[in-house]
Amino acid sequence: NAGVTQTPKFRVLKTGQSMTLLCAQDMNHEYMYWYRQDPGMGLRLIHYSVGEGTTAKGEVPDGYNVSRLKKQNFLLGLESAAPSQTSVYFCASRVFSSGNTIYFGEGSWLTVV
Amino acid sequence: AQTVTQSQPEMSVQEAETVTLSCTYDTSESDYYLFWYKQPPSRQMILVIRQEAYKQQNATENRFSVNFQKAAKSFSLKISDSQLGDAAMYFCASLISGTYKYIFGTGTRLKVLA
Repeated sequence: NAGVTQTPKFRVLKTGQSMTLLCAQDMNHEYMYWYRQDPGMGLRLIHYSVGEGTTAKGEVPDGYNVSRLKKQNFLLGLESAAPSQTSVYFCASRVFSSGNTIYFGEGSWLTVV
Repeated sequence: AQTVTQSQPEMSVQEAETVTLSCTYDTSESDYYLFWYKQPPSRQMILVIRQEAYKQQNATENRFSVNFQKAAKSFSLKISDSQLGDAAMYFCASLISGTYKYIFGTGTRLKVLA
């Protein structure tokens, strides 16, 4: 079982460059999430999706865009990367039923120089 | 507002001993779920244990158990017979039933001493 897969795992960007992080899940989950993890701040929600074709903003959406054209994929885009976006990014998914566990990908390390 | 607080940034435990990690939360809802996640150096987030608020019985998973005090809004994690592989960052999280948003604490780094 692949579960939740993120690509790429590591990336170094120059300020102003753009990139897309891809998240794929094979569990037929309705909900998908993008979080960022920074030291001392835990996990902060960037964007989420409750189903194919729908997206919504989380706590820290500025500087990011997302798309969910297919149920199994959730893309996170950085249009013009900034050093403040240096972080570890986690994708996660879950079934739409109360209390179900959220499953995480392995994380994507992004450094913006 | 829903909050989750982990007041211990770092804890240490001797191998084979027991350690308890603290978590408090705040919510006005009555139906919710609480979780403990482990994040080892590999960074993979792994579910350790889950508790439904409507259940009075504390959840257990092998060496891991929780002390769920609903009135006090406390959800501590007890690790028995600690092993070197338990060394990790541990995150407490909550989810209001029927909603999308998980709230995570800032984490507790657990060191296991040989």
